[in-house]
Amino acid sequence: DSGVTQTPKHLITATGQRVTLRCSPRSGDLSVYWYQQSLDQGLQFLIQYYNGEERAKGNILERFSAQQFPDLHSELNLSSLELGDSALYFCASSPDRGTYEQYFGPGTRLTVT
Amino acid sequence: KNQVEQSPQSLIILEGKNCTLQCNYTVSPFSNLRWYKQDTGRGPVSLTIMTFSENTKSNGRYTATLDADTKQSSLHITASQLSDSASYICVVSAIVGTYKYIFGTGTRLKVLA
Repeated sequence: DSGVTQTPKHLITATGQRVTLRCSPRSGDLSVYWYQQSLDQGLQFLIQYYNGEERAKGNILERFSAQQFPDLHSELNLSSLELGDSALYFCASSPDRGTYEQYFGPGTRLTVT
Repeated sequence: KNQVEQSPQSLIILEGKNCTLQCNYTVSPFSNLRWYKQDTGRGPVSLTIMTFSENTKSNGRYTATLDADTKQSSLHITASQLSDSASYICVVSAIVGTYKYIFGTGTRLKVLA
């Protein structure tokens, strides 16, 4: 158990809908990272927040957004969902801005039908 | 273009044998290189992190090497166990103002009894 929690574990929704994925980092960690893992593309970095502020941006679509709240938990919002958004979404946390080890959560499996 | 290539794509070995996985990268400017182990459907778990100045790092039966001149890394697994069956992912970080994380597509290792 990494200490990172993600909810929900599974999510099934229809195309065009909007969903919110939630992540609670390990106690004391200030950075939260979001990753997408689909069958055909492997793991891709989406976005990082550090202590409430956006720190780094990867291949995140404009339909996706994230935020980190004062209690350091983070939410990833996915809107206008398409079939291709079906994937495992992982959250990770680390104590720093990006140098040290990242601890991954168990993931949220999103299925868009 | 920043890229991380891993080989082989998949590997089958017998329990107790050693194996070596390769990672070549063209990421610049280099910050650090990480190896992760990922069991199917679960979040990745960090094995090693190496910076530019480190050329070898061990974590139990896992030993990673880094040659920053040739931009190559390897992960050596000694005395393999059935529980080593997983995907092994190489990730290279670059700092271009902010961090960028470039993932390899992984090597799928299966250890047979």
